[in-house]
Amino acid sequence: QKEVEQDPGPLSVPEGAIVSLNCTYSNSAFQYFMWYRQYSRKGPELLMYTYSSGNKEDGRFTAQVDKSSKYISLFIRDSQPSDSATYLCATPSGGAQKLVFGQGTRLTINP
Amino acid sequence: DAGVIQSPRHEVTEMGQEVTLRCKPISGHNSLFWYRQTMMRGLELLIYFNNNVPIDDSGMPEDRFSAKMPNASFSTLKIQPSEPRDSAVYFCASSLADNSPLHFGNGTRLTVT
Repeated sequence: QKEVEQDPGPLSVPEGAIVSLNCTYSNSAFQYFMWYRQYSRKGPELLMYTYSSGNKEDGRFTAQVDKSSKYISLFIRDSQPSDSATYLCATPSGGAQKLVFGQGTRLTINP
Repeated sequence: DAGVIQSPRHEVTEMGQEVTLRCKPISGHNSLFWYRQTMMRGLELLIYFNNNVPIDDSGMPEDRFSAKMPNASFSTLKIQPSEPRDSAVYFCASSLADNSPLHFGNGTRLTVT
């Protein structure tokens, strides 16, 4: 079993929709979670991070961790075509600097 | 801040040839990472350095792969000999410290025919 699992999609939604992106993880000791966004032909860039459980909001983006079910989510409100990208979840595993990534979900927002 | 700089952006080579990928981290960052991204396996950590010293190379697939960091501003990832299954996008990333965000370069797309 991979340490972090993510549905690769693709996911296509109309502009303005609420988007929900999800990952599951295997190790209950994981406490620190990140979401990276990757545009086509570019490297990933950090979008948000959360520690332990609960919600964190940043503008149109909300990151949520449910430790009881080992489930992390990223919600995008009022989605825009510029949000079209691949979204990767990540967590440190085997060391603070050793990030393991989910497969990435490819998201397209249609105008 | 120019960000993490990788070269070349694209590399096409024949099986058996040596390939060298290059990376210049962000100035002042003391950790450097090499990742590989494929459709099948996603983004995988190959090796990382702290203060120019290799800390963990457990992700390096086999002896054909080697990485060096001769100074704080330069690192190389070498594949010798290259094989078609090495075709992937190779990313270099750097960070300031533990739990600091990784800053990725734009990758080198390697195709081995």
